[in-house]
Order: sequence, then C-alpha cells, then structure tokens
Amino acid sequence: GAGVSQSPRYKVAKRGQDVALRCDPISGHVSLFWYQQALGQGPEFLTYFQNEAQLDKSGLPSDRFFAERPEGSVSTLKIQRTQQEDSAVYLCASSTLTGVVSPLHFGNGTRLTVT
Amino acid sequence: AQSVAQPEDQVNVAEGNPLTVKCTYSVSGNPYLFWYVQYPNRGLQFLLKYITGDNLVKGSYGFEAEFNKSQTSFHLKKPSALVSDSALYFCAVRGNTDKLIFGTGTRLQVFP
Repeated sequence: GAGVSQSPRYKVAKRGQDVALRCDPISGHVSLFWYQQALGQGPEFLTYFQNEAQLDKSGLPSDRFFAERPEGSVSTLKIQRTQQEDSAVYLCASSTLTGVVSPLHFGNGTRLTVT
Repeated sequence: AQSVAQPEDQVNVAEGNPLTVKCTYSVSGNPYLFWYVQYPNRGLQFLLKYITGDNLVKGSYGFEAEFNKSQTSFHLKKPSALVSDSALYFCAVRGNTDKLIFGTGTRLQVFP
C-alpha cells in the first residue's frame, strides 16, 4: 500500500521567505510526527499530533515554526521568515496506534535549503 | 529526560563477518527501544523493536538486537554482514510519552 508521502521533495528558499511542507500520512494512521534532520545528525523531534490535536510541540525551535493537521489526516509544517539555520531535511512519520509500542513509518522527507 | 547514545560514528566490517552496532539509552520508567535504517536520500525504515519479554528480538533483513537492562544497552547485531547492509543506522527510545528520541546514528560500511 501507499506509504507516507511528503512534498515537495526539495525546496530552495531565500532567507526571509515563508515555506510550507506537506505530509500525507498512511490512511487511517492516528499519530503523526514531524522531525528535523540536520546534515550528519539524527532526527530531532519537532511536534506530534493525535488525529487533529497537537499534543506536543515542545521541539519546535521558534515561533516561526507552525504545524497543523486540521482534519486529522494531511499535515502542513510552515516556517515563516526562513533563516539559514532552518536548512535541513524535514521528516514526517505516522503510526497506526497511539501509545509507545507502534513503530513509526517515515516519508522520504523534504530537503529545505535556505540561501 | 530520554536520551540515546551511539558511541561509534562508523563501523567497518567485511562481508560475511558478524556485525555489531552499539546503543545505550537513558529513560525514566520502562524503555521502549527501536532500530531504524536510513539509505541515502530516503526516510527511515523500521528494523525492530523491544517492548517487553525476551531480551533478544529479531527483525527485518536478518538483524537482531539484545536488550540488556543492567547495562542500559540495545546493541544491533547480524551474524553475517552483506554489502547491501551498508547504510546509516539509528537507535531510538520512547519512555512514557509518544515522543521517539533518536541517537546521532552510526554509519555501517560493509566491504566486499
């Protein structure tokens, strides 16, 4: 079946521009996560949704970062006034159940380059 | 707070030899441990998990991992490495929240 789909695959933005990154989770998956992966690093947690509710946004680095999942399916991560330090791969993941035992299914990520 | 340490940036092994990729963790409460693999320009793929029960867990592609509570470790192992196993491997832990915390990754290089 279809996996987690992220778009665009690559995004180049000039410093100061706003960007929007989209995630289509696996159909029926309740939980959705966003991670940021800098070059040569492990994924860093950004935020987590259970259906449409954003339960944890403790990893968002600043108030320029905003995520939503209004209908409990597709999610958008928005970054306002992009800075060079925002350059990274943004990974979306979903899982079928809440709780700690379900593995996450990851998309291929969006590589954001801020020039 | 939850954390994961992967002490080796890179592991080199000859094809056919056994491999081990090390991981130690710190978490409040019971640990839920995972291994993921990442190929170039791809997302992470789930390999295996430890939730409870038998300390030796088996996963995809012939990989297994051993949970050691006293040493707070969860090392990834494979009896016979393949060149196609060359990739970036991440250990991850969940404590009492749904948040999954990743290590910095270990690059596995298998030489023919």
